[in-house]
Amino acid sequence: NAGVTQTPKFQVLKTGQSMTLQCAQDMNHEYMSWYRQDPGMGLRLIHYSVGAGITDQGEVPNGYNVSRSTTEDFPLRLLSAAPSQTSVYFCASSNMGLNQPQHFGDGTRLSIL
Amino acid sequence: AQTVTQSQPEMSVQEAETVTLSCTYDTSESDYYLFWYKQPPSRQMILVIRQEAYKQQNATENRFSVNFQKAAKSFSLKISDSQLGDAAMYFCAYTYNNNDMRFGAGTRLTVKP
Repeated sequence: NAGVTQTPKFQVLKTGQSMTLQCAQDMNHEYMSWYRQDPGMGLRLIHYSVGAGITDQGEVPNGYNVSRSTTEDFPLRLLSAAPSQTSVYFCASSNMGLNQPQHFGDGTRLSIL
Repeated sequence: AQTVTQSQPEMSVQEAETVTLSCTYDTSESDYYLFWYKQPPSRQMILVIRQEAYKQQNATENRFSVNFQKAAKSFSLKISDSQLGDAAMYFCAYTYNNNDMRFGAGTRLTVKP
């Protein structure tokens, strides 16, 4: 049972480039979310989804897009990367929502030059 | 906006001893959920313990227990019989709905042999 799988683990981009961070879970969880973790700060919620076809914004959504076409996958897109988006990104899933234990992926370290 | 404060950036404990990590939060809600997550050097976020605010009884999980003081808005984590494997960053988190989760900045715990 893989849990939550994030790819890639590391990525370096140039300013203005676009990319998609992949997230997949095999636990049939309805709720999925994306966070970013910056030095000296806790995780901050970017976007979340309560089920296939339904997404919404979290605390820091600007510069990111998401979609949820299947229960299993929840990709995060950076359309035009900026240095301020250098961070470690975590995807998480849970059975019913944020008030339930979340299962996290191993994170993606993203550097934007 | 709800905030979560961890006032101890770093803590250390001798192996087999007990340590308490502090967390305070700000909310006007009466029904909410609190969590402690552990992040070892491997970077993966792991749930340590979960507390439902409407429950008076403090949550416990083996060597981990909390002291939940609702009136004081305090949620400290006690680790008993500390082990080398407990060394990690510990994050306190708060949520009251499915739209938002707030994390503290974290406490780095060192365990000395």
